[in-house]
Amino acid sequence: GAGVSQTPSNKVTEKGKYVELRCDPISGHTALYWYRQSLGQGPEFLIYFQGTGAADDSGLPNDRFFAVRPEGSVSTLKIQRTERGDSAVYLCASSRRGQGWETQYFGPGTRLLVL
Amino acid sequence: KQEVTQIPAALSVPEGENLVLNCSFTDSAIYNLQWFRQDPGKGLTSLLLIQSSQREQTSGRLNASLDKSSGRSTLYIAASQPGDSATYLCAVKEEIQGAQKLVFGQGTRLTINP
Repeated sequence: GAGVSQTPSNKVTEKGKYVELRCDPISGHTALYWYRQSLGQGPEFLIYFQGTGAADDSGLPNDRFFAVRPEGSVSTLKIQRTERGDSAVYLCASSRRGQGWETQYFGPGTRLLVL
Repeated sequence: KQEVTQIPAALSVPEGENLVLNCSFTDSAIYNLQWFRQDPGKGLTSLLLIQSSQREQTSGRLNASLDKSSGRSTLYIAASQPGDSATYLCAVKEEIQGAQKLVFGQGTRLTINP
């Protein structure tokens, strides 16, 4: 596609439930990133994939959060036992090769609300 | 730990004015600095990217400068228009082997009044 796409655009769930958020990067981009943006704040890094492997997962807040990218394109962010504090906008970005000088292109985000 | 700060948090100006948004960062070991625009309920749109070896970048009415040694960047918007109303975010990419994460400021919410 022309840009990064994310589904669903909005997700409402109950505390304790499991959710999956999907990211479709720009075609041909090998690097993929997940960020989380809380209300009134800038995005915070969660995890970076180079191809199929997680090259840096230092931003994942705890072991309830997990992400995969099995075929090196689409990625899924998985959150177990959701908590109200997980409510945020989850942003995905991609770049061509993950080189230091590259621009990261962002998707529209998934707005997660945990009741 | 890299910290990015943006001042002011919010700014409201009349249409037609020139304005400056400020961004500061604590660690000067960066690959580049990027300015983004975010409209309400939307994702981020990249405006300008300045590599660490560069001093400034220009795109239309936008000009971004970088003073790496002092840890500062400014985004200058000329002849502001109501359509410029949005939140502006700056982000740095740290010069760490293998690291690709962007570290963001909290943003400046800009309102241009007709």
